[in-house]
Order: sequence, then C-alpha cells, then structure tokens
Amino acid sequence: QVQLVESGGGVVQPGGSLRLSCAASGFTFSSYGMHWVRQAPGKGLEWVAFIRYDGSNKYYADSVKGRFTISRDNSKNTLYLQMNSLRAEDTAVYYCAKDRDSGSYLVNWGQGTLVTVSS
Amino acid sequence: AIRMTQSPSSLSASTGDRVTITCRASQGISSYLAWYQQKPGKAPKLLIYAASTLQSGVPSRFSGSGSGTDFTLTISCLQSEDFATYYCQQYYSYRFTFGPGTKVDIK
Repeated sequence: QVQLVESGGGVVQPGGSLRLSCAASGFTFSSYGMHWVRQAPGKGLEWVAFIRYDGSNKYYADSVKGRFTISRDNSKNTLYLQMNSLRAEDTAVYYCAKDRDSGSYLVNWGQGTLVTVSS
Repeated sequence: AIRMTQSPSSLSASTGDRVTITCRASQGISSYLAWYQQKPGKAPKLLIYAASTLQSGVPSRFSGSGSGTDFTLTISCLQSEDFATYYCQQYYSYRFTFGPGTKVDIK
C-alpha cells in the first residue's frame, strides 16, 4: 500500500532554513506528481507546492514563491521541500501528498511533520 | 489564484441528520473539484473527486454535486465517525487552492 513518511521538521529561528523529506513506497514514485500542503496550528489546509512526475515543472503558492523549492529524487523515491528565509507564519504541519497523476487531486497523504519558526 | 469559499464554516448536527456543505469557486472550474475529510490530529482523507465521483472505500452516504462555480457535499445520514472538518479543493489551475473548511460537530 502507498506509504508517505515525512521527516526533517523541527524548530528553526526566523530567517533560517530547513529541508523536509518525504520517503515514498508502495507505488511507482517516478510516475506521479507530488504535493506539499501545510496546516498552521488550528487553521485550515494551505497548498504549498507541486512537482510533476519527472520534475520538469514546479508550481508554488504565492506565500512561499522565491523562498521554498520543491524537488524530487526518483532514484531514491524521495520528495523534498527546501525552505529558506523562514518566517513565523510558516509554522505549520507540513504534509506530502501523492497526486492522482500529474496535477489533480491528492489521493494519499503522509502523517505530517511539524515546523516551528520561533526565536 | 482561484479563491474557494465554503459555507457554513461550522455546523452542529445529530447522528442520522442529513448535512449539506457548500463550496464556491471565484471563477469557473468545470468539475475539477475534490472533497476531503480531516479528523483532529490526522492527515486529510480524499472523499470525492471530479465533483461527484466517490473515492474507493468511501461510504455511499457521501455524495457530491455541482459544476462551474457552485458545489455541494452531502452526507445523507450522519454517523458518529463523520464528525470532522471538510475541505474542498480545486485542481482546475496548477495553483491549487483549498476552501477554508467546514467543521461538523455534535449537537
């Protein structure tokens, strides 16, 4: 069965950087687009970024464009989110999710990893 | 970006009730709409895609309808396990967006 396991969360100071990882298994990772979605404490879901199956196209929410970079290593079945210039408002649980195929709805989700931006 | 709104933001209902949640897009999105259920401390779960297609394994008491800008999620006979927050999401644009959520709690 599909399994997505996020890691890399933690506490970081404002202006700092963090890289999240999402290890995928149970499906052909290289055939599917992947998303990052976040949820601030007590708030709703916010889509963050999407990458096509081959990494050829990437899309970002305006709130993170220019600061976050989504990438993938299909040889390692792993999705990444490099987060730079972090702000307090980036504090959230970050979920990785598998797309239906290449830019669609989110079929499977990981359990999430918490990122806290605080001094 | 396409803005999604939901109403109501919360509702109280009893087991056995029929519940309807509305989602509206700021521009036409055809049927490129999905619904998710999220319980506290858990990841969201896909319920419906293409506005009205039930995801495999989802109970038939859940249904979706609509196209263009106006959509609804209906739970025909609310069960105890359905108390949760529900989100709509558009995938018409690659700048994907979620609605703000509707919390369904126990009356």
